[in-house]
Amino acid sequence: AQSVTQPDIHITVSEGASLELRCNYSYGATPYLFWYVQSPGQGLQLLLKYFSGDTLVQGIKGFEAEFKRSQSSFNLRKPSVHWSDAAEYFCAVGAIFGNQFYFGTGTSLTVIP
Amino acid sequence: NAGVTQTPKFQVLKTGQSMTLQCAQDMNHEYMSWYRQDPGMGLRLIHYSVGAGITDQGEVPNGYNVSRSTTEDFPLRLLSAAPSQTSVYFCASRDRAPYEQYFGPGTRLTVT
Repeated sequence: AQSVTQPDIHITVSEGASLELRCNYSYGATPYLFWYVQSPGQGLQLLLKYFSGDTLVQGIKGFEAEFKRSQSSFNLRKPSVHWSDAAEYFCAVGAIFGNQFYFGTGTSLTVIP
Repeated sequence: NAGVTQTPKFQVLKTGQSMTLQCAQDMNHEYMSWYRQDPGMGLRLIHYSVGAGITDQGEVPNGYNVSRSTTEDFPLRLLSAAPSQTSVYFCASRDRAPYEQYFGPGTRLTVT
């Protein structure tokens, strides 16, 4: 069965520190992988996506993610966190055909000054 | 270009009432979807459509109906609201490629 696991429910980091949010997926075929960010009371905004090719993908707001097929992971990273990065982050996997999309349960990020 | 719009932003219903959540997109996207977001559950797919006149069920379809008479609109109907349907509802759309989903701002629904 397809699924996405975000093992960290909540993470707190200091402003300027590095960040890594974990995402593991279970999918029967080559997945399309996404990271979305949701600010309080807002909809979801796409940070980055992986379809194929280079396994290190760059996104908006200085985020990057690395696809590791052997580990079924797609972890999100940022070298230096800003206070405005405080939000909820969702990893998602999608099917190549059809419209099946599976989201993780999210990781809430708190940034302390 | 407004993207994906949803109305209303907030709604309170009594158990047993019916209502329709509206969703519209102006990007000429073929695919549209409805999700519900609950604490600790992430987003779960309710129904989706791959074009006008074509809809299908997602992960949690019970208690909801959809139709797609035009490319732009994809309303979600609650026939008889239940407290378990208290949630935040998001509509999303995408084209076949490059596959990115665009989300609306959400509707926060409370059923008492």
